[in-house]
Amino acid sequence: AQKITQTQPGMFVQEKEAVTLDCTYDTSDQSYGLFWYKQPSSGEMIFLIYQGSYDEQNATEGRYSLNFQKARKSANLVISASQLGDSAMYFCAMRGTGANSKLTFGKGITLSVRP
Amino acid sequence: DVKVTQSSRYLVKRTGEKVFLECVQDMDHENMFWYRQDPGLGLRLIYFSYDVKMKEKGDIPEGYSVSREKKERFSLILESASTNQTSMYLCASSFAGFGSTYGYTFGSGTRLTVV
Repeated sequence: AQKITQTQPGMFVQEKEAVTLDCTYDTSDQSYGLFWYKQPSSGEMIFLIYQGSYDEQNATEGRYSLNFQKARKSANLVISASQLGDSAMYFCAMRGTGANSKLTFGKGITLSVRP
Repeated sequence: DVKVTQSSRYLVKRTGEKVFLECVQDMDHENMFWYRQDPGLGLRLIYFSYDVKMKEKGDIPEGYSVSREKKERFSLILESASTNQTSMYLCASSFAGFGSTYGYTFGSGTRLTVV
């Protein structure tokens, strides 16, 4: 079974500063993928970044980077130079191997960016 | 540019009604999913489908059923709506295949209120 843990309470960050959103996971799969999604107040889920378990380098997508520490089973999202539009809920998720493996989500973290 | 469409953004139904939530995707994805999202609980999988006419239970299938008669359409059915089914419902789709690189594309969600 796969499990994603996001335990931070609501996070606050000043505009233009960096922020780290924590995610730990548990799985018995050797090969898996880790994802981060953003959900603004409008409700749609927006894919941000993906990290494969065998990727040697941390994934980056613009202002988003994933700090992947495999031995610690953590996959933290780092947002650099926060913007007001980054205020949203953020979900960490993972998917194992197999043709029909499913995404398992954490409970999410609310991020508020202060002007 | 819309890829996963949920038929209703907001829906209000009475207790005991039979409710249909429709989801259509235009990306030729094999897999389709229904999640419900509740505050503090994250996204929980209700049902999923790997192919036309195929369905499998997720983590919380009680009180729900699904139908997939065509590849692009996946319907969630609340046989007799109850107030504890008031929630945000999210449909998603993805390609099948081995490996873990495939994330999901989500619809905008249906916020269902049962009174």
